[in-house]
Parts: sequence; structure tokens; C-alpha cells
Amino acid sequence: ETGVTQTPRHLVMGMTNKKSLKCEQHLGHNAMYWYKQSAKKPLELMFVYSLEERVENNSVPSRFSPECPNSSHLFLHLHTLQPEDSALYLCASSHAQWGTGELFFGEGSRLTVL
Amino acid sequence: DQQVKQNSPSLSVQEGRISILNCDYTNSMFDYFLWYKKYPAEGPTFLISISSIKDKNEDGRFTVFLNKSAKHLSLHIVPSQPGDSAVYFCAATRNNNDMRFGAGTRLTVKP
Repeated sequence: ETGVTQTPRHLVMGMTNKKSLKCEQHLGHNAMYWYKQSAKKPLELMFVYSLEERVENNSVPSRFSPECPNSSHLFLHLHTLQPEDSALYLCASSHAQWGTGELFFGEGSRLTVL
Repeated sequence: DQQVKQNSPSLSVQEGRISILNCDYTNSMFDYFLWYKKYPAEGPTFLISISSIKDKNEDGRFTVFLNKSAKHLSLHIVPSQPGDSAVYFCAATRNNNDMRFGAGTRLTVKP
């Protein structure tokens, strides 16, 4: 098992669909993150969960809804998305009390909204 | 508000030469800086970091330099190898929950 696993790797959905992205980490970390990567833009931090409590929400539209049921799993629920939401969504994990500040990323879920 | 900037979207160097990737930041409160490397179809992976109390950190072929007065850091790769071809992201953080990334620089190392 790789450290951080994301499913599905690719997702195509219509604007009226409801879908979810899943992230699972096997590193014993207790902080998890969702980042959005759009073409030629910096990675944008969307949500942070530390010790299963949400500590950051960077003004993300409500059509994105995160869920962190335990320290190993993180979901991003998607509802009535817009075409401009098409992007690579990256999950990451780390120790809540960082020493090096290092994030461990999954391979990403490529989302296309039609 | 883009607090971390990588102004060169791409860089091409010859194998064996030095690669220098640059990064500028605007927030003087950042206290830790990192470089990540990303291959196609993979997530970014941590490469090297530096604390704001230092001005240089070296790890094998990779060296990161920090100039706090200029709010500038750079990553030097020497000698460059074809396997170093990837997108390199600069990142900065001021606490453990707020890491900001640049847009990335695509490095191509030609054999």
C-alpha cells in the first residue's frame, strides 16, 4: 500500500451529479488536507483537518463538502459543480505537530465537470 | 493573493550542468520553506526544506538557499540528470496548517 491513496483517479461528472472523492493514508498521520491544482496555478489549499477537527476552510464554495470520519480517511463530497471546478484534486497528510513541515501527497483525482 | 511566486514556468538545462530554480515570497511571517517535485500522473513528493533561521541547506545534489532580506529562495541541482526532469513546486509555511505553494517550474534536463 502506498502512503496516501486517492480514489477515483479520474472522474467525469455532470453539473447536477453528486459524487465523492476518497483519500486514505497509511502513514499514521493525524492531519489531512485537500488541495486543488488548476492548470498553471499554484496548489490551492481547500480544507485542513487536524486530529479529525476541521481547522481551515479557505473560502471554498459550499458545493464542496469535506468529511473526515477518522484520522486515516478523508472525503470530498461534490454537488452541483461548475465546469471551472475541473481540476486535479490532491489529498495530503502530515503529523499535526510538524517537525519538518513535510506533506505526503496522494496521486490526485482528476475531475472533469461537463 | 499569491504569496509564493515562481516566475519561470519552465527551465531547460543540459545534463551535467547546474539547474537553478527560483522562488519569491511576500509574507515575512513564513518560517519554513520547502521544495516539492512532481512527475506526471503522480502527487508531489517532498525534496528538501529550509528553516528561516538558516540560509543554506544541502542534501546530495540538491541545495536550497534562502535570502530573507530579498524574500527569495532558490534550489540548485548539480549535476543535473535526465531523471530530474519534473515540475518543481516551492512552498512556504508560517504555521503547520497553512502551507502556500507556487505555480511550479517545469524542469527539462536534456541528455
